Amino acid sequence: DADVTQTPRNRITKTGKRIMLECSQTKGHDRMYWYRQDPGLGLQLIYYSFDVKDINKGEISDGYSVSRQAQAKFSLSLESAIPNQTALYFCATSDPSPGGGTGELFFGEGSRLTVL
Amino acid sequence: AQSVTQLDSQVPVFEEAPVELRCNYSSSVSVYLFWYVQYPNQGLQLLLKYLSGSTLVKGINGFEAEFNKSQTSFHLRKPSVHISDTAEYFCAVRHNFGNEKLTFGTGTRLTIIP
Repeated sequence: DADVTQTPRNRITKTGKRIMLECSQTKGHDRMYWYRQDPGLGLQLIYYSFDVKDINKGEISDGYSVSRQAQAKFSLSLESAIPNQTALYFCATSDPSPGGGTGELFFGEGSRLTVL
Repeated sequence: AQSVTQLDSQVPVFEEAPVELRCNYSSSVSVYLFWYVQYPNQGLQLLLKYLSGSTLVKGINGFEAEFNKSQTSFHLRKPSVHISDTAEYFCAVRHNFGNEKLTFGTGTRLTIIP
């Protein structure tokens, strides 16, 4: 089984619908992230969480919200999806740094979202 | 703040030929540097990383990268590529202290020509 699991892997929805992407991990990491990947733009950070009670906005948080339900679970929501949110979304975890880790990210396999 | 530039968005290379994927970064402080690879329809996985010490870093699948502080570069190289190396490659940088997040480049798509 994958260390970082994302569901759903693919989703097609309509403009205005609420969508939730879920992420769970078995790596035991405190830090979790949501990234968005668009062709030619690389990865952009949406939200990140360094522990259950710590949620932070990333570069492109507008139109998104997150929930850290437990150390192992981090969900991304689109309250009212719009077409320009069509993208590939990645969840990632990392070990802490400094103090033992390098901040290396471990990624899920991605959730492809299409908003019509 | 740091930034990463990958000037080549696409690199076609014949099978068994050498390849170099370029990465330049900008930062006012010391950094950690990473190369990630994304195979088709998969997530990203770590190829190699530079934390400190030797400037030549070896990674998985025969790849290596050299950290050049004076040129602020971290170019990725492989002496002989295979079809299986077809993927997108991302360079990333972060400060080597604090809770800094990774900043990614825009990626280089490596296509191997049989």
